[in-house]
Amino acid sequence: AQSVSQHNHHVILSEAASLELGCNYSYGGTVNLFWYVQYPGQHLQLLLKYFSGDPLVKGIKGFEAEFIKSKFSFNLRKPSVQWSDTAEYFCAVNVINTDKLIFGTGTRLQVFP
Amino acid sequence: SAVISQKPSRDICQRGTSLTIQCQVDSQVTMMFWYRQQPGQSLTLIATANQGSEATYESGFVIDKFPISRPNLTFSTLTVSNMSPEDSSIYLCSVVISGNIQYFGAGTRLSVL
Repeated sequence: AQSVSQHNHHVILSEAASLELGCNYSYGGTVNLFWYVQYPGQHLQLLLKYFSGDPLVKGIKGFEAEFIKSKFSFNLRKPSVQWSDTAEYFCAVNVINTDKLIFGTGTRLQVFP
Repeated sequence: SAVISQKPSRDICQRGTSLTIQCQVDSQVTMMFWYRQQPGQSLTLIATANQGSEATYESGFVIDKFPISRPNLTFSTLTVSNMSPEDSSIYLCSVVISGNIQYFGAGTRLSVL
């Protein structure tokens, strides 16, 4: 069965530090890849997505992610985090031609000023 | 995107009772989904709510426990039946507007005593 692994459960950073959150999935076929973010007290929002083309995708608020097919990875990055980036981040995979989203366990990011 | 409204936003229920959660979208959508997010865990797909036919349930979820209605293209309900404390979770609905991207409601936080 398909699965998504997020290696970092809880990350604590100071403002201006760089961020990289790992995401790996297990599925040999074609997938769509997503990062969602859930700010405290808010609903899940789409941060960025990869369907095809350039494996480096840019999302909102300065986030980007790189799809490395050979590593089955879709890591999220931001060069300089802000306090307002404090949130929970979920990686998700959708197998092509299915409707299902499979989520990772999430990474809680805390950014201190 | 779309405006997705869930009611109630939270509830505290006694074991053995049932709670019906509503999901209303401000536009017609083909695909609607129900997820569960247990404390400290990721989102798990419960079922796909199909308009005009029975919902499609994921492994581990059954219709008797989680009956779903989808009377039209803008509305769905999920009932959590005969609740136990293990049903304490956040329940979320999501919809696909276009491009295979799912948008989520704010969720219903359920506590079962």
